[in-house]
Amino acid sequence: EAGVAQSPRYKIIEKRQSVAFWCNPISGHATLYWYQQILGQGPKLLIQFQNNGVVDDSQLPKDRFSAERLKGVDSTLKIQPAKLEDSAVYLCASSLSSGAQREKLFFGSGTQLSVL
Amino acid sequence: GQNIDQPTEMTATEGAIVQINCTYQTSGFNGLFWYQQHAGEAPTFLSYNVLDGLEEKGRFSSFLSRSKGYSYLLLKELQMKDSASYLCAVRGQGGKLIFGQGTELSVKP
Repeated sequence: EAGVAQSPRYKIIEKRQSVAFWCNPISGHATLYWYQQILGQGPKLLIQFQNNGVVDDSQLPKDRFSAERLKGVDSTLKIQPAKLEDSAVYLCASSLSSGAQREKLFFGSGTQLSVL
Repeated sequence: GQNIDQPTEMTATEGAIVQINCTYQTSGFNGLFWYQQHAGEAPTFLSYNVLDGLEEKGRFSSFLSRSKGYSYLLLKELQMKDSASYLCAVRGQGGKLIFGQGTELSVKP
């Protein structure tokens, strides 16, 4: 079974530039998550999609971050303009959405972003 | 508010046993997960607890006490490959999964 695919693997940009990350979840997984993981910290949820609808984006800095999942499969996360504090690993995860409490998340390898 | 606490770092010896603790205060509780994350890699699922007690899975066991807001991950017969970050995560109200900061475990020969 193919896992969660993310690209690019690494990205280096200068502050005030724009950047976009792409995620392809596991086939059949209705729920997709974007997490931000700053070095030495646990992942922080930025946005959660159920199919192509947003379930939770309470911690997404909406003045600079945007995300979409137009056809309920692939998703893109964009930062415009980037700040130094956005340097982090951006993890995409997906889950089946069976409704079970024990439903686990499957993570991609992440995109490591460095903002200079 | 939501708070999940774990020790930042731990060191243990190959072949030994180590216990990684996690305490939590969250809005609602729908289960607690442990994930393992090797440097530069994706977190991978280790265990899930929703009822009090111990869940054993090979060399790894996880314990939960809901009344105390407390869990631990027990790793037995430590191997060098167990050096990684261990993330405690609680599924709270609305199904949201909230992670602790992670515990960086170093296994020494």
